[in-house]
Order: sequence, then C-alpha cells, then structure tokens
Amino acid sequence: EPEVTQTPSHQVTQMGQEVILRCVPISNHLYFYWYRQILGQKVEFLVSFYNNEISEKSEIFDDQFSVERPDGSNFTLKIRSTKLEDSAMYFCASSVEGLIVASTDTQYFGPGTRLTVL
Amino acid sequence: GEDVEQSLFLSVREGDSSVINCTYTDSSSTYLYWYKQEPGAGLQLLTYIFSNMDMKQDQRLTVLLNKKDKHLSLRIADTQTGDSAIYFCAESNPDSGAGSYQLTFGKGTKLSVIP
Repeated sequence: EPEVTQTPSHQVTQMGQEVILRCVPISNHLYFYWYRQILGQKVEFLVSFYNNEISEKSEIFDDQFSVERPDGSNFTLKIRSTKLEDSAMYFCASSVEGLIVASTDTQYFGPGTRLTVL
Repeated sequence: GEDVEQSLFLSVREGDSSVINCTYTDSSSTYLYWYKQEPGAGLQLLTYIFSNMDMKQDQRLTVLLNKKDKHLSLRIADTQTGDSAIYFCAESNPDSGAGSYQLTFGKGTKLSVIP
C-alpha cells in the first residue's frame, strides 16, 4: 500500500542552525501538508501546498519556515534559524484533493520527524 | 479560532468496549475525523463523519455525533490489545475559505488495553 515517508526520523540540531525535513508524498497526490506536534500539545497545521505554491499557512508558519517541492517526488520543510521552541514532531501529509469527498480521499500522514533543538 | 478537546488517557480491559470522547467549538465544522497513531507510526485515518450524520458504524467502530452539544465519540467494540494507541479527534470546515483544507486536531487520547 502506498505510504508517505519522512526522513530523518530524528534530527538533532543546535539553536540557530538551518534544518531541512524531507517527505516523499504518495505519488499521485496533489496536495501536501506539514503539521507539527510539540510534546504534550496538539497536532497543529503549518502549511498546505498545491501546484507548486503555498495554498494556506497558519500563524506558526512565519518567515523562518519555507516549503519546496524540488523535484517530482520530494516535499521539504526548511527552518532557517532554529529556535528551542521549534523542537517538535513534524508530520508530512498528502492527499489527492484538498477536500475530502470520498472515503478514499483523505490526508495520509507520514511517521513524522522528531526535531530536537539544543 | 477552532478548538478540539479530548481526555488524555483511557484504560480498558481486553474485550470491553472503549469510548473516546471529543468536543469541538466550531459549529460550522463539516467533517469530523478519528485518527489512530501507533508507536513510531504516522496518523492513520480510522473513520470520519459528515456533520449531517448522527452515527456511522464501521465494523467494530461506531462514531456518534451530537451536533447540538458539539460532541463526538468513538466506540470500539471488543477492544483488543492491538487497539492500544493514541486516538486523535480532528475537524475541518472546507467551506470556511481561509484554512479550508487544514485539519484541527485534539491532543489525542492514549488508549491502554489491559490483557
């Protein structure tokens, strides 16, 4: 069964460093998402991406964050200068369409990347 | 903004029914979901319900929606040890314009099944 994959599973970085989190969405999907979950808190929406541009973003997704689809398979989240409060689990998701219209049309999530900022 | 709340822990004995509850604040929520997260894995969609429905059943899973009270529940019949996981309630409102495709999640309920 197709699945969303994410690398690395765990990333440790120093405060102020840039990190790039990588995701490979399901191949025929058109919409891509990043969510994050700070330990003990809710899963929060960061950004959605469609047709090579951001379609929506949350207040969390400030100028320190960027997303890119550098080729036909990868979808990346870059944090330019990491802060301690960026430590979280980052989930990538993809869907065929942005709107769920059928039981098979839904956001599929990857296993997450745990980012630890020291 | 929208908010989704759920209790953090639930412990049940194998074979019993589990009921995981969730409340939400957005009265215009159109879709409500239950996701399951097993250790080391991503979020797996278990089931969803449209806001014009009261109940949905899928094998051992029953979803009840009380739109008046903005209360959603997930009942797992004959709970097994393999059901041990974190269960997330989530909602979306595709008609809201901005933020229409994003999911708003609760914190997750950790279900522990005692053999």
